[in-house]
Amino acid sequence: AQSVTQLGSHVSVSEGALVLLRCNYSSSVPPYLFWYVQYPNQGLQLLLKYTTGATLVKGINGFEAEFKKSETSFHLTKPSAHMSDAAEYFCAVSDRTGANNLFFGTGTRLTVIP
Amino acid sequence: KAGVTQTPRYLIKTRGQQVTLSCSPISGHRSVSWYQQTPGQGLQFLFEYFSETQRNKGNFPGRFSGRQFSNSRSEMNVSTLELGDSALYLCASSPVGSGGTGELFFGEGSRLTVL
Repeated sequence: AQSVTQLGSHVSVSEGALVLLRCNYSSSVPPYLFWYVQYPNQGLQLLLKYTTGATLVKGINGFEAEFKKSETSFHLTKPSAHMSDAAEYFCAVSDRTGANNLFFGTGTRLTVIP
Repeated sequence: KAGVTQTPRYLIKTRGQQVTLSCSPISGHRSVSWYQQTPGQGLQFLFEYFSETQRNKGNFPGRFSGRQFSNSRSEMNVSTLELGDSALYLCASSPVGSGGTGELFFGEGSRLTVL
Protein backbone atom coordinates (compact mmCIF):
# COMPACT_ATOMS: atom_id res chain seq x y z
CA ALA A 1 0.00 0.00 0.00
CA GLN A 2 1.13 3.53 -0.71
CA SER A 3 0.42 6.73 1.13
CA VAL A 4 1.74 10.21 1.64
CA THR A 5 1.73 12.42 4.71
CA GLN A 6 2.14 16.15 4.39
CA LEU A 7 3.08 17.85 7.64
CA GLY A 8 1.34 21.17 8.04
CA SER A 9 -1.89 21.98 6.24
CA HIS A 10 -0.97 25.67 6.24
CA VAL A 11 2.47 27.26 5.94
CA SER A 12 3.16 30.99 5.94
CA VAL A 13 6.43 32.55 4.87
CA SER A 14 7.60 36.07 4.20
CA GLU A 15 8.42 37.12 0.67
CA GLY A 16 12.07 36.27 0.03
CA ALA A 17 12.23 33.65 2.78
CA LEU A 18 12.93 29.95 2.38
CA VAL A 19 9.99 27.74 1.49
CA LEU A 20 9.99 24.24 3.01
CA LEU A 21 7.01 21.94 2.55
CA ARG A 22 7.31 18.52 4.13
CA CYS A 23 6.27 15.19 2.65
CA ASN A 24 6.82 11.68 3.94
CA TYR A 25 5.75 8.63 1.99
CA SER A 26 5.04 5.00 2.58
CA SER A 27 5.52 2.48 -0.19
CA SER A 28 6.25 -1.24 -0.32
CA VAL A 29 7.93 -0.89 -3.71
CA PRO A 30 10.33 1.69 -5.17
CA PRO A 31 8.24 4.82 -5.37
CA TYR A 32 7.65 7.46 -7.96
CA LEU A 33 7.26 10.78 -6.14
CA PHE A 34 5.69 14.01 -7.29
CA TRP A 35 4.86 17.53 -6.24
CA TYR A 36 1.87 19.21 -7.85
CA VAL A 37 0.61 22.77 -7.33
CA GLN A 38 -2.97 23.97 -7.52
CA TYR A 39 -3.86 27.64 -7.94
CA PRO A 40 -7.39 28.79 -7.03
CA ASN A 41 -10.09 27.51 -9.36
CA GLN A 42 -7.59 25.64 -11.47
CA GLY A 43 -6.46 22.08 -11.98
CA LEU A 44 -3.16 20.74 -10.75
CA GLN A 45 0.18 21.41 -12.39
CA LEU A 46 3.25 19.20 -12.09
CA LEU A 47 6.13 20.95 -10.31
CA LEU A 48 8.63 18.10 -10.32
CA LYS A 49 8.94 14.34 -10.14
CA TYR A 50 11.36 11.64 -9.00
CA THR A 51 11.34 8.24 -10.65
CA THR A 52 14.91 6.95 -10.67
CA GLY A 53 18.43 8.34 -10.77
CA ALA A 54 19.53 11.60 -9.18
CA THR A 55 17.86 12.10 -5.83
CA LEU A 56 17.87 15.91 -6.02
CA VAL A 57 15.21 16.92 -8.48
CA LYS A 58 14.77 20.40 -9.88
CA GLY A 59 11.41 21.59 -11.06
CA ILE A 60 9.70 24.63 -12.44
CA ASN A 61 9.58 28.07 -10.82
CA GLY A 62 12.77 27.48 -8.82
CA PHE A 63 11.46 24.59 -6.72
CA GLU A 64 13.44 21.47 -5.94
CA ALA A 65 13.01 18.34 -3.84
CA GLU A 66 15.31 15.66 -2.52
CA PHE A 67 14.41 11.99 -2.31
CA LYS A 68 15.76 10.54 0.93
CA LYS A 69 15.08 6.84 1.09
CA SER A 70 16.44 6.44 4.63
CA GLU A 71 14.00 9.07 5.88
CA THR A 72 11.18 8.17 3.45
CA SER A 73 10.94 11.86 2.70
CA PHE A 74 10.54 14.08 -0.35
CA HIS A 75 10.46 17.63 0.99
CA LEU A 76 9.90 20.56 -1.37
CA THR A 77 12.05 23.67 -1.09
CA LYS A 78 12.56 27.03 -2.73
CA PRO A 79 15.30 29.41 -1.57
CA SER A 80 13.28 32.61 -1.90
CA ALA A 81 9.49 32.83 -1.83
CA HIS A 82 7.62 35.01 -4.28
CA MET A 83 4.08 36.28 -3.95
CA SER A 84 3.11 34.21 -6.98
CA ASP A 85 4.03 31.01 -5.07
CA ALA A 86 0.89 31.30 -2.95
CA ALA A 87 -1.11 28.18 -3.78
CA GLU A 88 -1.88 24.69 -2.51
CA TYR A 89 0.83 22.08 -2.90
CA PHE A 90 0.26 18.35 -3.10
CA CYS A 91 2.79 15.58 -2.67
CA ALA A 92 1.94 12.30 -4.39
CA VAL A 93 3.30 8.77 -4.75
CA SER A 94 2.83 6.00 -7.28
CA ASP A 95 4.91 3.13 -8.61
CA ARG A 96 6.05 1.50 -11.81
CA THR A 97 3.03 -0.79 -12.09
CA GLY A 98 0.48 2.01 -11.87
CA ALA A 99 2.37 5.19 -12.45
CA ASN A 100 -0.71 7.26 -13.27
CA ASN A 101 -2.57 6.02 -10.18
CA LEU A 102 -1.34 8.71 -7.83
CA PHE A 103 -1.94 8.70 -4.09
CA PHE A 104 -2.05 12.31 -3.01
CA GLY A 105 -1.37 13.89 0.35
CA THR A 106 -3.93 16.20 1.92
CA GLY A 107 -2.15 19.29 0.65
CA THR A 108 -0.34 22.27 2.15
CA ARG A 109 -1.63 25.75 1.57
CA LEU A 110 1.25 28.19 1.21
CA THR A 111 0.70 31.84 2.09
CA VAL A 112 3.36 34.40 1.19
CA ILE A 113 3.40 37.51 3.33
CA PRO A 114 4.62 40.71 1.65
CA LYS B 1 -1.34 23.29 -27.89
CA ALA B 2 -4.74 23.23 -26.24
CA GLY B 3 -4.89 21.90 -22.69
CA VAL B 4 -7.23 19.37 -21.15
CA THR B 5 -10.82 20.48 -21.57
CA GLN B 6 -13.57 19.42 -19.22
CA THR B 7 -17.27 20.03 -19.66
CA PRO B 8 -19.42 21.12 -18.05
CA ARG B 9 -17.49 23.26 -15.58
CA TYR B 10 -20.34 23.52 -13.10
CA LEU B 11 -23.49 21.54 -12.63
CA ILE B 12 -26.17 20.99 -10.05
CA LYS B 13 -28.08 17.73 -9.71
CA THR B 14 -30.47 16.23 -7.20
CA ARG B 15 -30.11 12.97 -5.30
CA GLY B 16 -30.94 9.92 -7.38
CA GLN B 17 -30.13 11.53 -10.71
CA GLN B 18 -27.20 10.57 -12.87
CA VAL B 19 -24.51 12.73 -14.42
CA THR B 20 -22.06 12.44 -17.30
CA LEU B 21 -18.85 14.46 -17.39
CA SER B 22 -16.68 14.86 -20.45
CA CYS B 23 -12.95 15.24 -20.90
CA SER B 24 -10.92 16.03 -24.02
CA PRO B 25 -7.23 15.27 -23.49
CA ILE B 26 -4.28 17.11 -24.94
CA SER B 27 -3.79 16.15 -28.55
CA GLY B 28 -1.62 13.03 -28.78
CA HIS B 29 -2.20 11.95 -25.20
CA ARG B 30 -3.69 8.47 -25.00
CA SER B 31 -4.07 8.09 -21.26
CA VAL B 32 -6.90 9.76 -19.37
CA SER B 33 -7.28 9.57 -15.59
CA TRP B 34 -10.09 10.82 -13.37
CA TYR B 35 -9.80 12.08 -9.82
CA GLN B 36 -12.34 13.22 -7.26
CA GLN B 37 -11.41 16.15 -5.02
CA THR B 38 -13.36 16.92 -1.85
CA PRO B 39 -12.48 18.95 1.26
CA GLY B 40 -12.86 15.88 3.47
CA GLN B 41 -11.20 13.14 1.43
CA GLY B 42 -8.82 15.19 -0.68
CA LEU B 43 -7.78 13.90 -4.08
CA GLN B 44 -8.77 10.33 -4.82
CA PHE B 45 -8.07 8.29 -7.93
CA LEU B 46 -11.16 7.04 -9.75
CA PHE B 47 -9.84 5.27 -12.85
CA GLU B 48 -7.47 5.47 -15.79
CA TYR B 49 -8.14 4.67 -19.42
CA PHE B 50 -5.56 3.94 -22.06
CA SER B 51 -6.41 3.02 -25.66
CA GLU B 52 -10.11 2.65 -24.78
CA THR B 53 -9.37 0.16 -21.99
CA GLN B 54 -9.60 0.72 -18.27
CA ARG B 55 -6.07 0.19 -17.02
CA ASN B 56 -6.45 0.99 -13.33
CA LYS B 57 -9.36 1.53 -10.98
CA GLY B 58 -9.60 3.17 -7.61
CA ASN B 59 -11.72 2.20 -4.65
CA PHE B 60 -15.07 3.66 -5.65
CA PRO B 61 -18.48 1.96 -5.88
CA GLY B 62 -19.85 0.68 -9.16
CA ARG B 63 -22.02 3.79 -9.49
CA PHE B 64 -18.90 5.45 -10.84
CA SER B 65 -18.02 4.37 -14.35
CA GLY B 66 -16.14 5.65 -17.33
CA ARG B 67 -15.20 5.03 -20.88
CA GLN B 68 -12.79 6.22 -23.49
CA PHE B 69 -13.42 6.70 -27.17
CA SER B 70 -11.14 6.00 -30.11
CA ASN B 71 -10.13 9.68 -30.25
CA SER B 72 -9.00 9.41 -26.59
CA ARG B 73 -11.84 11.58 -25.31
CA SER B 74 -13.26 10.22 -22.11
CA GLU B 75 -16.49 10.39 -20.17
CA MET B 76 -17.29 9.46 -16.63
CA ASN B 77 -20.74 8.70 -15.33
CA VAL B 78 -22.13 8.70 -11.82
CA SER B 79 -25.49 7.05 -11.36
CA THR B 80 -27.93 7.35 -8.46
CA LEU B 81 -26.24 10.46 -7.12
CA GLU B 82 -25.72 10.88 -3.38
CA LEU B 83 -25.03 14.05 -1.43
CA GLY B 84 -21.49 12.81 -0.81
CA ASP B 85 -20.77 12.81 -4.54
CA SER B 86 -20.56 16.60 -4.46
CA ALA B 87 -17.00 17.29 -5.49
CA LEU B 88 -14.62 18.67 -8.04
CA TYR B 89 -13.98 16.00 -10.65
CA LEU B 90 -10.62 16.38 -12.31
CA CYS B 91 -9.55 14.81 -15.55
CA ALA B 92 -5.89 14.42 -16.43
CA SER B 93 -4.16 13.26 -19.57
CA SER B 94 -0.69 11.84 -19.92
CA PRO B 95 1.81 11.53 -22.77
CA VAL B 96 2.34 7.95 -21.84
CA GLY B 97 3.73 4.78 -23.22
CA SER B 98 3.06 1.53 -21.43
CA GLY B 99 2.76 1.78 -17.67
CA GLY B 100 2.49 5.51 -17.41
CA THR B 101 4.86 8.08 -15.94
CA GLY B 102 2.75 9.90 -13.38
CA GLU B 103 3.22 13.11 -15.32
CA LEU B 104 -0.37 14.25 -15.51
CA PHE B 105 -1.81 17.32 -17.20
CA PHE B 106 -4.99 18.32 -15.40
CA GLY B 107 -8.05 20.11 -16.62
CA GLU B 108 -9.78 22.76 -14.52
CA GLY B 109 -12.39 20.29 -13.34
CA SER B 110 -16.13 19.86 -13.30
CA ARG B 111 -17.69 21.01 -10.05
CA LEU B 112 -20.70 18.86 -9.21
CA THR B 113 -23.16 19.87 -6.53
CA VAL B 114 -25.76 17.32 -5.44
CA LEU B 115 -28.82 18.68 -3.63
